[in-house]
Amino acid sequence: DGGITQSPKYLFRKEGQNVTLSCEQNLNHDAMYWYRQDPGQGLRLIYYSQIVNDFQKGDIAEGYSVSREKKESFPLTVTSAQKNPTAFYLCASSTQTRGGSGRNQPQHFGDGTRLSIL
Amino acid sequence: SQKIEQNSEALNIQEGKTATLTCNYTNYSPAYLQWYRQDPGRGPVFLLLIRENEKEKRKERLKVTFDTTLKQSLFHITASQPADSATYLCALGVAGRRALTFGSGTRLQVQP
Repeated sequence: DGGITQSPKYLFRKEGQNVTLSCEQNLNHDAMYWYRQDPGQGLRLIYYSQIVNDFQKGDIAEGYSVSREKKESFPLTVTSAQKNPTAFYLCASSTQTRGGSGRNQPQHFGDGTRLSIL
Repeated sequence: SQKIEQNSEALNIQEGKTATLTCNYTNYSPAYLQWYRQDPGRGPVFLLLIRENEKEKRKERLKVTFDTTLKQSLFHITASQPADSATYLCALGVAGRRALTFGSGTRLQVQP
């Protein structure tokens, strides 16, 4: 079955440490996204990528970095510069229309990684 | 400022009744609007997409309306069941932005 796999499900970060969250999809989707979800809040966009070797900052990119070396993979690194990293992180993917927009396509989500501070 | 508002208070209804959830938006001109279901500790699951030139969309027990004049979408679940209990998120697809913009969601609780 096609889908998106996020790992690990739970992650703990020490002060001053970078951690990397994994996201893999086998849906053959061009676009991939990272969101952060805090209690009682909507999903906020961190980074997105429309094609391999290209990505753009979302609304809250500071303290995060990404790479897109393969179509299937879009890992997110939470750096020590992110001072409030405790949150539920969601990865998603979608197809894109000819114009390059994914906004009119359903997004397929993984089951998230919950990051906490030790 | 731009806002997407969904009722932050949980909606409690009896099994068999119709649940109606609201998504209001301000200072957006979405070409598309999507609804997702999210269960605790899980990622959202896509339910329905409606375009700005569509008034209504249906899928089984689900119905979505989209009123661009009122800047509002209504999401209905008819003959609701306890298994429909979840948080429902609306998301806007707006021009000039290649990703969706999500509301904070409304939690629905269907009592048996």
